[in-house]
Amino acid sequence: KAGVTQTPRYLIKTRGQQVTLSCSPISGHRSVSWYQQTPGQGLQFLFEYFSETQRNKGNFPGRFSGRQFSNSRSEMNVSTLELGDSALYLCASSFDSEGNTIYFGEGSWLTVV
Amino acid sequence: AQSVTQLDSQVPVFEEAPVELRCNYSSSVSVYLFWYVQYPNQGLQLLLKYLSGSTLVESINGFEAEFNKSQTSFHLRKPSVHISDTAEYFCAVSVSGGSNYKLTFGKGTLLTVNP
Repeated sequence: KAGVTQTPRYLIKTRGQQVTLSCSPISGHRSVSWYQQTPGQGLQFLFEYFSETQRNKGNFPGRFSGRQFSNSRSEMNVSTLELGDSALYLCASSFDSEGNTIYFGEGSWLTVV
Repeated sequence: AQSVTQLDSQVPVFEEAPVELRCNYSSSVSVYLFWYVQYPNQGLQLLLKYLSGSTLVESINGFEAEFNKSQTSFHLRKPSVHISDTAEYFCAVSVSGGSNYKLTFGKGTLLTVNP
């Protein structure tokens, strides 16, 4: 069974631009969450979606947004990119039931120059 | 809110030596506990998890972790490490009693196994 798939794997953007990252969850998983990983701050929760609704959001500015489609695929968008947005963005999916394992994709490496 | 402290940012060991990666957590509510491993240029893979029941949990590749409620710890151990165990290890918690879709991670411990 295919794992969590993220595209693109690597991208370089210029400060001020915007970026959209895509995530396809494991088949049957309806919960999709996003994390940002940086050397300084570590792994931080961005937001989580279930049935096209954002259920929880981390402590990030409004420039970070996301959405989920009816097939559970998800996208996240970062507008007005800043140098500090350079990070590995990880998508994760799981069944929506207590104690279920959260599976992570390989991530999208974003470099802002 | 929950927080996780991994006491060692780097742990160098020799091959076939035992290793312990330490993790302490803080939470006012019951939590689930996890260890994830990240190999270079890859995402996170679940190593093992504690939800309830026996406080000692094991993974298929020889790692084990013990939940200690009184000390709020969930240390990861392996009796004999291999070169291939070189990776970054993350301890994480989520609030129990609901869907565990939000993980709070520690800063990670880089395990380097030397020949």
